[in-house]
Amino acid sequence: GAGVSQTPSNKVTEKGKYVELRCDPISGHTALYWYRQSLGQGPEFLIYFQGTGAADDSGLPNDRFFAVRPEGSVSTLKIQRTERGDSAVYLCASSSERTGTGGYGYTFGSGTRLTVV
Amino acid sequence: AQSVTQLGSHVSVSEGALVLLRCNYSSSVPPYLFWYVQYPNQGLQLLLKYTSAATLVKGINGFEAEFKKSETSFHLTKPSAHMSDAAEYFCAVSAYSNTGKLIFGQGTTLQVKP
Repeated sequence: GAGVSQTPSNKVTEKGKYVELRCDPISGHTALYWYRQSLGQGPEFLIYFQGTGAADDSGLPNDRFFAVRPEGSVSTLKIQRTERGDSAVYLCASSSERTGTGGYGYTFGSGTRLTVV
Repeated sequence: AQSVTQLGSHVSVSEGALVLLRCNYSSSVPPYLFWYVQYPNQGLQLLLKYTSAATLVKGINGFEAEFKKSETSFHLTKPSAHMSDAAEYFCAVSAYSNTGKLIFGQGTTLQVKP
């Protein structure tokens, strides 16, 4: 597509529930990133995919968080047993860069605002 | 390890005045540096980037930034503020980890007064 699409734009869930957040990157972009942005903070890195594989998942806060990208395009971020501290905006970004230096910059989606009540 | 510090969480200028948003970085290797802008309820948009070519980088919407290695700075400027420039601005450095991961500053909210 023309831009990075994230769905849903807003998600309210109860503590302890499971949620899935979807990211549809720009067509042909092999690099895909998930970031989390808490109120009043800059985005924090969660995970990086190059193609289908998670090349760097060092930012995932704990084992309740998991992400997949089975066909190298759409990605899903999955959060189990949600906690109130998971409330944030989850941003997805994609890039055509294959080398991993970061020099290209990203195109970000508009984000999913997750609220855990 | 790389890090970014944005001086001033809020900056207020009058329409037509100079915009100066400050960013200092820490990096053990020559960095790639970025400025992103975020309008309310939108994702981040790339304003400009420094990738070791010219030290003065021009971006979109009349913004520019100068890489100063001696000062480890990458401040963002615009000669004349418009009302439409009101947004949150983030400075970021590439983590040089072979993954393209970016480390962001905490952001500066720019207010433009009529």
